[in-house]
Amino acid sequence: AQKVTQAQTEISVVEKEDVTLDCVYETRDTTYYLFWYKQPPSGELVFLIRRNSFDEQNEISGRYSWNFQKSTSSFNFTITASQVVDSAVYFCALTSGDSNYQLIWGAGTKLIIKP
Amino acid sequence: DAGVTQSPTHLIKTRGQQVTLRCSPKSGHDTVSWYQQALGQGPQFIFQYYEEEERQRGNFPDRFSGHQFPNYSSELNVNALLLGDSALYLCASSLDLGPYGYTFGSGTRLTVV
Repeated sequence: AQKVTQAQTEISVVEKEDVTLDCVYETRDTTYYLFWYKQPPSGELVFLIRRNSFDEQNEISGRYSWNFQKSTSSFNFTITASQVVDSAVYFCALTSGDSNYQLIWGAGTKLIIKP
Repeated sequence: DAGVTQSPTHLIKTRGQQVTLRCSPKSGHDTVSWYQQALGQGPQFIFQYYEEEERQRGNFPDRFSGHQFPNYSSELNVNALLLGDSALYLCASSLDLGPYGYTFGSGTRLTVV
């Protein structure tokens, strides 16, 4: 069975601090895709990144970076120098043939950035 | 280039009533998936439509049904509403049933009273 675990229910930091959101996944497939989405209070799920299982390179996009480690089945997300606008719920998701390419979601981590 | 459009934005219904939610996919996308997101939880997959047919279905009762039109837009219908159906309903569009990326709409907030 496939599963995504986001153990941090809520994180609160002061603006400009760095923060890491954890994501641990389970799948039997050797080919799979991992995603991070941001959900601001408006409700829309905003796509942040997609990573396939054969690409373990870490990625950096501005203040955002992602650390994919197959050895520990983790796909963690770090925001550097956080800003108030980063406040949102962040979801990690997994998909593969085992789920007929439907997204399997974590429970989400609510990130609060205080000014 | 318009993204995914959902209507209405908010809706209040009485228990036992029926509701129809609508979704227009992103331009160029041909696949529509519907998700239910209860407060404080991750989205739960309801079903997916491709070529006007339901291709996959999550663990939802038959009260939940849908349709896809030739222009790829889609409707989600829920009959005999229960209080527990109150949630944010999200539509996601994608291309060719694949995992290449899902674009989500802002959702319809349904409240059943």
